[in-house]
Parts: sequence; C-alpha cells; structure tokens
Amino acid sequence: AQKVTQAQTEISVVEKEDVTLDCVYETRDTTYYLFWYKQPPSGELVFLIRRNSFDEQNEISGRYSWNFQKSTSSFNFTITASQVVDSAVYFCALKGYSTLTFGKGTMLLVSP
Amino acid sequence: NAGVTQTPKFRILKIGQSMTLQCTQDMNHNYMYWYRQDPGMGLKLIYYSVGAGITDKGEVPNGYNVSRSTTEDFPLRLELAAPSQTSVYFCASSNTGTGNNEQFFGPGTRLTVL
Repeated sequence: AQKVTQAQTEISVVEKEDVTLDCVYETRDTTYYLFWYKQPPSGELVFLIRRNSFDEQNEISGRYSWNFQKSTSSFNFTITASQVVDSAVYFCALKGYSTLTFGKGTMLLVSP
Repeated sequence: NAGVTQTPKFRILKIGQSMTLQCTQDMNHNYMYWYRQDPGMGLKLIYYSVGAGITDKGEVPNGYNVSRSTTEDFPLRLELAAPSQTSVYFCASSNTGTGNNEQFFGPGTRLTVL
C-alpha cells in the first residue's frame, strides 16, 4: 500500500517569509508520480506540479520550488517570499500503479 | 472549456433520503473519479471509471453507487443518506490512468446529512 505523510498540520508565517512544506511518501512501486495541489479558501483544487520517480531534478516556478529526494522519499515544496494569496491548504499526492493517494494536507496561513 | 462541473454546490439531506451528485467534463477524458474530503483529511477515493460502461470501487465505496453511460457524465448516487456521509465531494477527470496526466477537479459539492 502507498502512503503520503504531511506532518505539518498548520504553518503560520508573516508575508515575505520563506516557507517549506514537507511531504514524505511510501511506495513499493518502482515507477510513480508525485503531485502537489493547492486548495485556497474558495475550495477548489488547483494542480501545481507533477514529478515522476525517474526525475530527481529540482524545479523552480516563480516563487515556488520543489525538492525531490528519492533517498529520503521526500518531495518538499518551498514558497519564497510568501504572500497573503498563498494562504491555502496544500496537498501532496502519490500515484504508483494504483490510484492517487493524498496526504492530509498542510494549512498555510500567511499574514500581512 | 468549462472543465469539470459539479451540481449542486450545496445540499442538505435528511437521514434516509437519497440524491444524485452530478459531474460532467468536456475534456473528452476517459478516466473519471469521485472523492470525498472530510475536515482535516485528504481526499479519499470513492469510485472511479476508466471509460463509459466501466466503473470500479475505490477506498470508501460503501453507501454510494455510480454509473458511466457516457464519456462526459459520471453521477454519484447516495441511496440512504447517513450523517457519516456529510462531506465535501469532488469529481475529477484525467486523460489517462497513469500518473503522467494530472487529474482535473471540479469545484466540489458540500453535502450535509442531518
């Protein structure tokens, strides 16, 4: 069975601070994909990134960056210079050979 | 493209009532999914479909039924509503069933069973 753990239930930061959201996963599948989704207060789920298990290159997209390390089974997400609009619940998810498994999410609160 | 649409957005049911949550996608995706999200929890898969006429159970299927008569529509049926089914329901679709394609989500239906 596959599992995704987001140990941080809630994080509070002040605007312009950097923040890292942790994600640790478990799977026996040799090929798998990792995802991050954002759920703002309005409730919809917004896809942020997909990474496959063969590509350990870090990725940067504007203020967002992702660090994938197979050795530690982690796929962490960093927001640089956080903004109030980043306030949301962020979900990490894993898909191996079976269905998509979500972590419980981390609520990020960015205050002005 | 409207993407994935869900109706209704909100609904209150009494125990024992039945209802159907509607889901439609206009992206010609083969795969469709129903999830539920309970407070403080991630999404759990209820049912999914790999194409018209084919459905399969997910992690938490009890109390629900689905059908897939067309590529576009994937309704979720609650036959005898129970308080444990109070949740936010999300429908999603993807082009394939592999992880190489992300799932696109609808806006959700907030259901309360009293």
